[in-house]
Amino acid sequence: NAGVTQTPKFRVLKTGQSMTLLCAQDMNHEYMYWYRQDPGMGLRLIHYSVGEGTTAKGEVPDGYNVSRLKKQNFLLGLESAAPSQTSVYFCASSLSGVGVQFFGPGTRLTVL
Amino acid sequence: KNEVEQSPQNLTAQEGEFITINCSYSVGISALHWLQQHPGGGIVSLFMLSSGKKKHGRLIATINIQEKHSSLHITASHPRDSAVYICAVFWGNQFYFGTGTSLTVIP
Repeated sequence: NAGVTQTPKFRVLKTGQSMTLLCAQDMNHEYMYWYRQDPGMGLRLIHYSVGEGTTAKGEVPDGYNVSRLKKQNFLLGLESAAPSQTSVYFCASSLSGVGVQFFGPGTRLTVL
Repeated sequence: KNEVEQSPQNLTAQEGEFITINCSYSVGISALHWLQQHPGGGIVSLFMLSSGKKKHGRLIATINIQEKHSSLHITASHPRDSAVYICAVFWGNQFYFGTGTSLTVIP
């Protein structure tokens, strides 16, 4: 039972490059989330999903896209990376919207 | 948006001390969570509260819905409690997070 996993753990991009972050959970959770964590700021919600095939915008969605083609996976895409997207990205999942969230280990992304 | 404020931002304590971390929020909520972020970065959930008080080992969490305030207490603190403690409130259809309280417990 791996819980929530994220790949990759670290990545360095140049401005304008694209990449996809993968989140996987094996707990059969309906809800999945992508957050970013920046120094001096709390976690902020980028996008979330309430089930397979559904996605919705969070607090800071600009510059990101997501997809949830399978219930266990939630992908976060950066089409054209910018230095402002340098951050630590966390994925989380939960059984219900208000319920306990289980977090992945995080992905540290640097955009040069 | 629900504004979530935590205090203090940083806290240093001697081993064995009683610790209190506070969280206040601006709009009525469905639930409040306390999270712990380890020095290595991993985040785990400690408590989920909608009213009253919960206890788990040396940790106690309380919430006052009328005053829009919650506290996390650690009794008999230990160096392994050193971490960042994060308050999160569920409002609307998402969570809003505080910036965290960095706790260091010195042996």
